[in-house]
Amino acid sequence: NAGVMQNPRHLVRRRGQEARLRCSPMKGHSHVYWYRQLPEEGLKFMVYLQKENIIDESGMPKERFSAEFPKEGPSILRIQQVVRGDSAAYFCASSPGHLYSNQPQHFGDGTRLSIL
Amino acid sequence: GQQVMQIPQYQHVQEGEDFTTYCNSSTTLSNIQWYKQRPGGHPVFLIQLVKSGEVKKQKRLTFQFGEAKKNSSLHITATQTTDVGTYFCAGRNTGNQFYFGTGTSLTVIP
Repeated sequence: NAGVMQNPRHLVRRRGQEARLRCSPMKGHSHVYWYRQLPEEGLKFMVYLQKENIIDESGMPKERFSAEFPKEGPSILRIQQVVRGDSAAYFCASSPGHLYSNQPQHFGDGTRLSIL
Repeated sequence: GQQVMQIPQYQHVQEGEDFTTYCNSSTTLSNIQWYKQRPGGHPVFLIQLVKSGEVKKQKRLTFQFGEAKKNSSLHITATQTTDVGTYFCAGRNTGNQFYFGTGTSLTVIP
């Protein structure tokens, strides 16, 4: 079974552009989580989604960031009007069941976003 | 606010020495998970602890969940170079919010 697939692996954007990060969960997983990791720091939770629903977006910045997980296709993390501070590794994880049922998360390889 | 701190932040050990990282939460946790992230890689799930005082072992790794469910530890016996990486704890609080710890970066000197 394929693991969690993220693309692109590396993304370079200029300030003010939009960044779209994609995540396809493991087969059979319907719960997706996005995290941000700055160099030599821990993972900061951003958003938790189930198909067509946002379960918890308490870690998402209120402006410029949005996430979706449509019925068909990958989950998308969208960052509008990027700024230098958005440079980070963005990891997606998935689980077969609800996070609140103590399911472990399976992570993708991440997207390294660099803002020029 | 909720914090999950890990100490130490960095640890250098000679190959063969033991290593321990400690995870401390400001609030009671429903569970604790441990992940390992190799340099340049992604976090990989190691284990989950749910019960107060629970201890689990995986070969040279021993995981413990505190009696008050606010702290946890990971102990590696006789480290090997393959143990290199950053070890994160992660826990869910009673409000169902999930937090990763700050991580402990382990370097093993051959």
